[in-house]
Amino acid sequence: GENVEQHPSTLSVQEGDSAVIKCTYSDSASNYFPWYKQELGKRPQLIIDIRSNVGEKKDQRIAVTLNKTAKHFSLHITETQPEDSAVYFCAAGNTGGFKTIFGAGTRLFVKA
Amino acid sequence: DTAVSQTPKYLVTQMGNDKSIKCEQNLGHDTMYWYKQDSKKFLKIMFSYNNKELIINETVPNRFSPKSPDKAHLNLHINSLELGDSAVYFCASSQDLVGLAEQYFGPGTRLTVT
Repeated sequence: GENVEQHPSTLSVQEGDSAVIKCTYSDSASNYFPWYKQELGKRPQLIIDIRSNVGEKKDQRIAVTLNKTAKHFSLHITETQPEDSAVYFCAAGNTGGFKTIFGAGTRLFVKA
Repeated sequence: DTAVSQTPKYLVTQMGNDKSIKCEQNLGHDTMYWYKQDSKKFLKIMFSYNNKELIINETVPNRFSPKSPDKAHLNLHINSLELGDSAVYFCASSQDLVGLAEQYFGPGTRLTVT
């Protein structure tokens, strides 16, 4: 069945450094790749998404890249700040599947 | 002005009881979901509804019965609660049925079964 693998499960960086989270998906029909951020005790919220007709998308300190051939997509956070500390989920969705499959999450710690 | 709301926020109950969680969205979305998030933070879809019709049931035990009285509401009823049902349950909604749009999550309901 469909699967989304996410690495690493935990990531600790120093404030100001960059953080990279990587995901792979199994369903070649996937064409929508959102990223959600979940702060402690809060709900997941969309921070950025990318569709299969685009290889890269950037929004201030956050960027996503997509390699459809390799079925890889990544989240890049530059100049990390303590408030970036949260659990980040990648996900993959497609027209025929009627659902979005989530990765297992990455717990990011940004040390001040 | 809350987009997706859930009640209750916390639910503590004993094994064998029956409980319900309510969810409402005021975004005008046609599609609603229930997710279960366990202690390891894994988000697993349970059900999805579109215009009050069940679209996805991810092999959830039939002790779990969703009900959608209208497209703005998707409630979750759980019979004969078990210890393993302890988790945070998130309701969500999206504009798009086909998995291509942002999902808006509710605040979650932390269910503890003792």
